[in-house]
Amino acid sequence: GDSVTQMEGPVTLSEEAFLTINCTYTATGYPSLFWYVQYPGEGLQLLLKATKADDKGSNKGFEATYRKETTSFHLEKGSVQVSDSAVYFCALSDLLGGGADGLTFGKGTHLIIQP
Amino acid sequence: GAVVSQHPSRVICKSGTSVKIECRSLDFQATTMFWYRQFPKQSLMLMATSNEGSKATYEQGVEKDKFLINHASLTLSTLTVTSAHPEDSSFYICSARPPQGTNYGYTFGSGTRLTVV
Repeated sequence: GDSVTQMEGPVTLSEEAFLTINCTYTATGYPSLFWYVQYPGEGLQLLLKATKADDKGSNKGFEATYRKETTSFHLEKGSVQVSDSAVYFCALSDLLGGGADGLTFGKGTHLIIQP
Repeated sequence: GAVVSQHPSRVICKSGTSVKIECRSLDFQATTMFWYRQFPKQSLMLMATSNEGSKATYEQGVEKDKFLINHASLTLSTLTVTSAHPEDSSFYICSARPPQGTNYGYTFGSGTRLTVV
């Protein structure tokens, strides 16, 4: 079945540091890939997405590129801020590829940015 | 566009009582909604897929008689936790599949923190 593996945290960085959160996936079809962010006590917000190979999703300074050859969708940001502290989930949807409906999530990475 | 509203955000109930959680799509019709459960510091686990006008599809290990799902209209799905027990305490999040032909991702409600005492 489908699965998503992402680096486990917590990841602690200083403000303005470079961020990478790794995410790899396995899927039966050709999935769409997503990064969601969850702030404390809140639901999930879509951060960015990509629907085909070599697509780059970007939002709020975050970027991730759909790499089919390495089945990866790593999240990056050049200079993090304290306000970026949250839990980040990598996810995939394989509906169009004949997979199950809904999203398959990674376990989440807790990011802590220190001033 | 594609906003999902979930209510209540927090609820505390006594053991043995039932609690209903609502999930509404505000500006689009959601034929399919999903219910997830999130344990502390863990990922989201899909509980069930809710289809308008038909029975929900439950994931393996989820008790359908305990977690009743109703999707009677294109904008509303409800999850009722029946005869709640402390082990049902969790964060429940609903999600809607994006409308066909749109560029939205799956949209999530803000979640409901259920505490059973």
